[in-house]
Amino acid sequence: GNSVTQMEGPVTLSEEAFLTINCTYTATGYPSLFWYVQYPGEGLQLLLKATKADDKGSNKGFEATYRKETTSFHLEKGSVQVSDSAVYFCALSDFQGAQKLVFGQGTRLTINP
Amino acid sequence: DTGVSQDPRHKITKRGQNVTFRCDPISEHNRLYWYRQTLGQGPEFLTYFQNEAQLEKSRLLSDRFSAERPKGSFSTLEIQRTEQGDSAMYLCASRQETYNEQFFGPGTRLTVL
Repeated sequence: GNSVTQMEGPVTLSEEAFLTINCTYTATGYPSLFWYVQYPGEGLQLLLKATKADDKGSNKGFEATYRKETTSFHLEKGSVQVSDSAVYFCALSDFQGAQKLVFGQGTRLTINP
Repeated sequence: DTGVSQDPRHKITKRGQNVTFRCDPISEHNRLYWYRQTLGQGPEFLTYFQNEAQLEKSRLLSDRFSAERPKGSFSTLEIQRTEQGDSAMYLCASRQETYNEQFFGPGTRLTVL
């Protein structure tokens, strides 16, 4: 079945550092890929998505590129802020059927001033 | 558009009791999903509705769990004879048919004593 593997956390960085959170997936067909973020005390929010190979999703300075050849969707940001502290989830959904989300285990990110 | 709402936000119950959660999706969204999230893990799919029809159920959804979506609007998730292992955050999400983005509610945190 489909699965998502994220780099283990927690990750602690200083403000303005470069961020990479690795995500790889296993899926049949052509899934859509997502990054969701969960800020402290809040619900899951969609951060960005990509629906086909080589698509780049971007939002709030975060980017991720759908790499079919390496089955990866790594999240990057050039300069993180304290306000980026949250839990980040990589997820995929099937192209058809229920299109339910399959999530990775999440990566807790803490940014220190 | 007030987003996806869930009620209650927190529920504490004793083992063996029945509990029911409610989810109100975004009004024009015909697809509705339930997920369960345990501490330190990503959400896991439980079940999916398209309008009032329950089209897919996870193997995680034991016989003690039942979900409904009468009239294709709000949905309820009932857990009978709760067990300590049912303690988790129960998340509801909804989306439009033609746009592959799920919007999540704040969740109901269940604690079984």
